[in-house]
Amino acid sequence: EAQVTQNPRYLITVTGKKLTVTCSQNMNHEYMSWYRQDPGLGLRQIYYSMNVEVTDKGDVPEGYKVSRKEKRNFPLILESPSPNQTSLYFCASSLPFPYNEQFFGPGTRLTVL
Amino acid sequence: AQSVAQPEDQVNVAEGNPLTVKCTYSVSGNPYLFWYVQYPNRGLQFLLKYITGDNLVKGSYGFEAEFNKSQTSFHLKKPSALVSDSALYFCAVRQTGANNLFFGTGTRLTVIP
Repeated sequence: EAQVTQNPRYLITVTGKKLTVTCSQNMNHEYMSWYRQDPGLGLRQIYYSMNVEVTDKGDVPEGYKVSRKEKRNFPLILESPSPNQTSLYFCASSLPFPYNEQFFGPGTRLTVL
Repeated sequence: AQSVAQPEDQVNVAEGNPLTVKCTYSVSGNPYLFWYVQYPNRGLQFLLKYITGDNLVKGSYGFEAEFNKSQTSFHLKKPSALVSDSALYFCAVRQTGANNLFFGTGTRLTVIP
């Protein structure tokens, strides 16, 4: 089954404790992206990757890191999480941008205490 | 800069009635426009897109949208609403030359039996 998977689905952590949210897709997509969803703000893009070893900042990259060493994986790293990073996070992938629709993962709900 | 507005946070419609979810955009150059739907506790699912060509675009689950360049709008429509259409709907836009997709804040559609 073609899909985007994220792990973990739910995470509660404390301020300053480094964490990684994994994202993997099995559709051989070049483009991958991370979004956060907050009430009243919709989805905002954190980082995106046009292909392996090519990443760029989205609209809200502060406090986040990403890497794209393999085509299928695009992990999101929070080096020192803070409470304002409490949010619902989505990973997405697509065939070469810009014409193709994105496929979204199920989401990761992160709470930083 | 690209932006998209969904002026209604909430839309209520009776089952069987036509529904409209509004979206207006602002981009430089030609827009690429998308509609996504999010059901509770799920990731976003692609509904339809406008890239070029016919202004009326048909998508999944009986939805359609009309691209209106003069009014910079891309409203989502369905002739007869179902209770199962109740969900959160997002409009998104990409402008020529940009590598990211910009989402609106979402409209919650409730179809009343």
